Amino acid sequence: RKEVEQDPGPFNVPEGATVAFNCTYSNSASQSFFWYRQDCRKEPKLLMSVYSSGNEDGRFTAQLNRASQYISLLIRDSKLSDSATYLCVADLSSNTGKLIFGQGTTLQVKP
Amino acid sequence: GAVVSQHPSWVICKSGTSVKIECRSLDFQATTMFWYRQFPKQSLMLMATSNEGSKATYEQGVEKDKFLINHASLTLSTLTVTSAHPEDSSFYICSAKDWTDNSPLHFGNGTRLTVT
Repeated sequence: RKEVEQDPGPFNVPEGATVAFNCTYSNSASQSFFWYRQDCRKEPKLLMSVYSSGNEDGRFTAQLNRASQYISLLIRDSKLSDSATYLCVADLSSNTGKLIFGQGTTLQVKP
Repeated sequence: GAVVSQHPSWVICKSGTSVKIECRSLDFQATTMFWYRQFPKQSLMLMATSNEGSKATYEQGVEKDKFLINHASLTLSTLTVTSAHPEDSSFYICSAKDWTDNSPLHFGNGTRLTVT
């Protein structure tokens, strides 16, 4: 079983749509979680951290459920520029900086 | 903000040759750097953890004699792919953590290696 699992998609949505991505992790000892965005042939870039209390950054909302070992990302009012691959990431220990990446979920926003 | 520079951005080499990839932290000291590899449509897979002044820690299944890592200073780590084969063709990305900020990792721009 993969340590971090995501539905690879692709998710094809029209502009303005709301889309949600889910992610599960297997190691209950995981400390921190993040969503990264990766554009084609580029390095991943941090989108946002994920907290149990939920956090929001503009059109993006992330949520963590430790009991279910489940992470989500909600994108509202999708833009064409949101088209990318979204990577769910777990940090097993905040002392090492070592991150475990999910396969990524591809989003294609169409006009 | 913290910047990690990776060089080269892309390289094409012949089978059997060696390729060196450099990863530099430009405005912070990185005692630890990480090397990832990403095949098309797959996740980033951690290859090894590079420790300044000591041996790298390799993940299971990664050959340490094939992927040589050197972290001789607080701002530079290098990955050398030795005796490259076509199956080594991949996207290699380094990253480093700046312990003075809250960002989990800062990534280099990646190196696309093609072995012919």
